[in-house]
Amino acid sequence: GDSVTQMEGPVTLSEEAFLTINCTYTATGYPSLFWYVQYPGEGLQLLLKATKADDKGSNKGFEATYRKETTSFHLEKGSVQVSDSAVYFCALIPRYGGSQGNLIFGKGTKLSVKP
Amino acid sequence: EADIYQTPRYLVIGTGKKITLECSQTMGHDKMYWYQQDPGMELHLIHYSYGVNSTEKGDLSSESTVSRIRTEHFPLTLESARPSHTSQYLCASSEGLAGVTDTQYFGPGTRLTVL
Repeated sequence: GDSVTQMEGPVTLSEEAFLTINCTYTATGYPSLFWYVQYPGEGLQLLLKATKADDKGSNKGFEATYRKETTSFHLEKGSVQVSDSAVYFCALIPRYGGSQGNLIFGKGTKLSVKP
Repeated sequence: EADIYQTPRYLVIGTGKKITLECSQTMGHDKMYWYQQDPGMELHLIHYSYGVNSTEKGDLSSESTVSRIRTEHFPLTLESARPSHTSQYLCASSEGLAGVTDTQYFGPGTRLTVL
């Protein structure tokens, strides 16, 4: 079935370090891909999305490119800040199948950024 | 800015009590969801609704029930709470018409503890 695999955390970085959180997926056809972020004590919010191959989603300095050939959607940021400390979820909506348009989430990666 | 509200934010109750977790949205979204988030952060879809009078079970079996009598309101009820129900519960909504590109908007969550 459709699934998302993302790198396990926690990830701890120093401020201004480069961030990569790996995400790969398994799905029939070409799903839409998403990154959601959950700050401490809050619900999730959409960070960025891409709906077709080679699309790049970007927001708040974060980027991710939809790579069909490697079935990946890695999240990157060139210089993280303490305020980026959060849990990051990779997710997809399959284009076909019985998911009824529902999101399929990875297990989440906790990022801690130290000053 | 998404407007989706959950009450209460925190709830501590004894075993056997009946509880209702409230979720409301002011965006006129047709589709609504309930997720259970375990301490390891993983998200599990437990219920969703396409609109008024529609309710569906999600991927994770749950003893809770939901109702959708009004578009904006999607409460979740536990008839007899048990310690195994201790978790964070997140409500979300989406337009439901965008299909594979649908963006979900999340409430802040209710953290439930059953003693």
